[in-house]
Amino acid sequence: SQQGEEDPQALSIQEGENATMNCSYKTSINNLQWYRQNSGRGLVHLILIRSNEREKHSGRLRVTLDTSKKSSSLLITASRAADTASYFCATPRFYNNDMRFGAGTRLTVKP
Amino acid sequence: DGGITQSPKYLFRKEGQNVTLSCEQNLNHDAMYWYRQDPGQGLRLIYYSQIVNDFQKGDIAEGYSVSREKKESFPLTVTSAQKNPTAFYLCASSIGDSSQETQYFGPGTRLLVL
Repeated sequence: SQQGEEDPQALSIQEGENATMNCSYKTSINNLQWYRQNSGRGLVHLILIRSNEREKHSGRLRVTLDTSKKSSSLLITASRAADTASYFCATPRFYNNDMRFGAGTRLTVKP
Repeated sequence: DGGITQSPKYLFRKEGQNVTLSCEQNLNHDAMYWYRQDPGQGLRLIYYSQIVNDFQKGDIAEGYSVSREKKESFPLTVTSAQKNPTAFYLCASSIGDSSQETQYFGPGTRLLVL
């Protein structure tokens, strides 16, 4: 079973619009990570947010974490065609010392 | 250039054949991981290694084997026991415990069955 579940599964927007992706998880965590994957490529780390943080920014990316609702969101502002990719959230599995990845949100930004 | 490399980019397997996927990193990371990704799916953990000469099974280890004889290298063998091997395979590394740290991914190997 998956720990992190992204929503929506797919999102299509116009260039310049904002894109919001959500991630829900089931167990307590001490951090949550977001990754990006271009088609046919490896994953690239975007942001790590710790459980004592509520919001974090990196360029046009804004990540929020609500531990009471066990959810996180990734906001991409002023999207560009180059932002077209799949976005995954990952949460830790302590008994395995590794991360569990969700199925991802496939974002398409139309020029 | 520091990074993590995987080879080959594409690999074709015949029925009953074992094939080995290469993963090398020069990041001086202790931990390395192998994931399998099926179309439209997330990543599933096959094996991971937190230190040289030690490795642990992940969620879908059956039909796969690994070795970790050197810190830089973590090859994955897809054995004939893996009946549905067609997938995209990703190798990753992290400084230490990946539940606390960023994972760095290679470009992936796509395995196809002839």
